[in-house]
Amino acid sequence: SQQGEEDPQALSIQEGENATMNCSYKTSINNLQWYRQNSGRGLVHLILIRSNEREKHSGRLRVTLDTSKKSSSLLITASRAADTASYFCATDATQGGSEKLVFGKGTKLTVNP
Amino acid sequence: DVKVTQSSRYLVKRTGEKVFLECVQDMDHENMFWYRQDPGLGLRLIYFSYDVKMKEKGDIPEGYSVSREKKERFSLILESASTNQTSMYLCASSPVGIIGPRVNSPLHFGNGTRLTVT
Repeated sequence: SQQGEEDPQALSIQEGENATMNCSYKTSINNLQWYRQNSGRGLVHLILIRSNEREKHSGRLRVTLDTSKKSSSLLITASRAADTASYFCATDATQGGSEKLVFGKGTKLTVNP
Repeated sequence: DVKVTQSSRYLVKRTGEKVFLECVQDMDHENMFWYRQDPGLGLRLIYFSYDVKMKEKGDIPEGYSVSREKKERFSLILESASTNQTSMYLCASSPVGIIGPRVNSPLHFGNGTRLTVT
């Protein structure tokens, strides 16, 4: 089934640096979403970008979408220790006429103080 | 704020037991989902529902069933728990999309139930 795949699997940076995570997917989509998960908790929605959008911002977050390359990136600027979490992309997919959201395996980001 | 509540944070059950995982959302969302999360495998969709009494199989429905008798409640049932069902279970809800596909709205997740089957 269609799935977003994040890259890298793990990323370790210093506080204040920027963090970039990438997501690739296999088939056409209507939208792509990014989520954050703190250890042992549920996922929290960050940004939804539609297939006709190329870039979206939310605070220190910037998401880009390139449908020709079937890829998206999440940039966190001026990272903080509190940004330490796993980040997932999710794409919509149709299965047997039903729509669902399929998640990648995530990028584990560690921001060192 | 949308609240998705999963009845238990931690659960320990024995092999062969019937297990019920409950999920309740308070925002009148039409869509509800059950995922399981395992290290190295990410989130995998077990079942989902777009309306009361509706259910659809996800990618890994074997060994599970669901119940959606009321709009706000979506229950995951392990008919006969096995050790390979030890996992983190995440429930989510979302409103139906106004335009286009149903899943073009953000999902709201509960905090998860960590189930151990011994």
